[in-house]
Amino acid sequence: GAVVSQHPSWVICKSGTSVKIECRSLDFQATTMFWYRQFPKQSLMLMATSNEGSKATYEQGVEKDKFLINHASLTLSTLTVTSAHPEDSSFYICSATFLVGGEQFFGPGTRLTVL
Amino acid sequence: DAKTTQPNSMESNEEEPVHLPCNHSTISGTDYIHWYRQLPSQGPEYVIHGLTSNVNNRMASLAIAEDRKSSTLILHRATLRDAAVYYCILRKAVQTGANNLFFGTGTRLTVIP
Repeated sequence: GAVVSQHPSWVICKSGTSVKIECRSLDFQATTMFWYRQFPKQSLMLMATSNEGSKATYEQGVEKDKFLINHASLTLSTLTVTSAHPEDSSFYICSATFLVGGEQFFGPGTRLTVL
Repeated sequence: DAKTTQPNSMESNEEEPVHLPCNHSTISGTDYIHWYRQLPSQGPEYVIHGLTSNVNNRMASLAIAEDRKSSTLILHRATLRDAAVYYCILRKAVQTGANNLFFGTGTRLTVIP
C-alpha cells in the first residue's frame, strides 16, 4: 500500500516552454503533498507544500509564479514549470501523506532536462 | 529543526554487515529517528524508524543510543542492491500540515562485489 506515482518519469523540453508534472497517490487519499527538487550530487530540497483545495505554501527562494502547483483532488497534485530554462533542469520528486504530520510516501521522481 | 551528521560515504563488501552511523546531539524528546534511502535516479524509500528502543524490520535494524544522541542503521548482509544514499532524519512527532522531513547530505554506501 501507500504507492505514489509520477508522470512523466522524464521529460526533455526547449527553453521557454512549460512542463507539467503529475503526482498521484494510487491507493490512499493524500491530505498533503510535497514537492522536492534535487540537483545532481545534492540532497532533496523542499520546494512547496500542497494541501487539497488550498493554495500551496512555497519555501523561501522558490518562485510561486514559476512553479505552479495545483492540488485539485485528494489523489492528484501537479507541478507546472513555466517558461523553463536550463537552470531548471533537475530531478523533481513528490511525496504524499494521509495523516497530518504523518509518514511521507515518495514518488519515483521526474527528471526534467531543459535544452 | 534538529540536525543530523553522517559520514559522506562508506564502503562495504557484499554479504557483510554494514553499520551506518548518525549523530543527532540536539535531538528533542519528541523527535523520531527516521532512515530513508535513495537508489540512483529514484525517489527516497522508507527504511526504518524508532524513538527510544532498538527496532528491527525485514530491511534493517536500528540501534539507538541510550541518550538518543546517536543511532546506527544496520544492514545485516549488504547486497549490491543496497548501494544507495542513506539519509538519517529527525521527525517531530506532532506537526501541522507543514513538512516534517528535512534531508541532509546522507551517506553514500558503495557495496563491493
